[in-house]
Amino acid sequence: ETGVTQTPRHLVMGMTNKKSLKCEQHLGHNAMYWYKQSAKKPLELMFVYSLEERVENNSVPSRFSPECPNSSHLFLHLHTLQPEDSALYLCASSPAKLAGGPADTQYFGPGTRLTVL
Amino acid sequence: KQEVTQIPAALSVPEGENLVLNCSFTDSAIYNLQWFRQDPGKGLTSLLLIQSSQREQTSGRLNASLDKSSGRSTLYIAASQPGDSATYLCAVTGAGGGNKLTFGTGTQLKVEL
Repeated sequence: ETGVTQTPRHLVMGMTNKKSLKCEQHLGHNAMYWYKQSAKKPLELMFVYSLEERVENNSVPSRFSPECPNSSHLFLHLHTLQPEDSALYLCASSPAKLAGGPADTQYFGPGTRLTVL
Repeated sequence: KQEVTQIPAALSVPEGENLVLNCSFTDSAIYNLQWFRQDPGKGLTSLLLIQSSQREQTSGRLNASLDKSSGRSTLYIAASQPGDSATYLCAVTGAGGGNKLTFGTGTQLKVEL
């Protein structure tokens, strides 16, 4: 186990549903990330939070809404998704205090497998 | 824009064989390069991290090399075992830092008995 947990592990939702993905890290890290992994495509960085402040929004559609209430928790709120949003959503954390600082190893959670019908 | 390519996309080898996975990147201005392992239905586990000033890193049966000027890295796995079966991902961090990883699409490895 990496110390990063994600719930739920699997989620099936309709296009009109609203759901949320949760990530929690028990490592005392200061930065958290959301990634999307689609079949046959590289992992795509979606959002970066450093000390609970969003420092990166990688041109993600507004139907994805992140929330970071504290340095240990990260949410991804989902609303009116499309079938092409079906993917594995991975959360990661790293010790870095500032997104612009030195790069360090990211620790990944197991992911949430999302299917949009 | 940085692009990372991994070849081959899939590889099947008999147990005990030594093997090499390849990773190439288009922009040599990187801060570091990492190799990850991903098991089916699971997240990523960091295997090795090579800083841009380093040439290689070793961990057990794994050895990763980096040739930054040519935009290439290799992951060498010695004496492969069925437990090594997984997808191996290469990722680079740009020289600007910021911990923004650019990933390749991975090599799916199967080690057969």
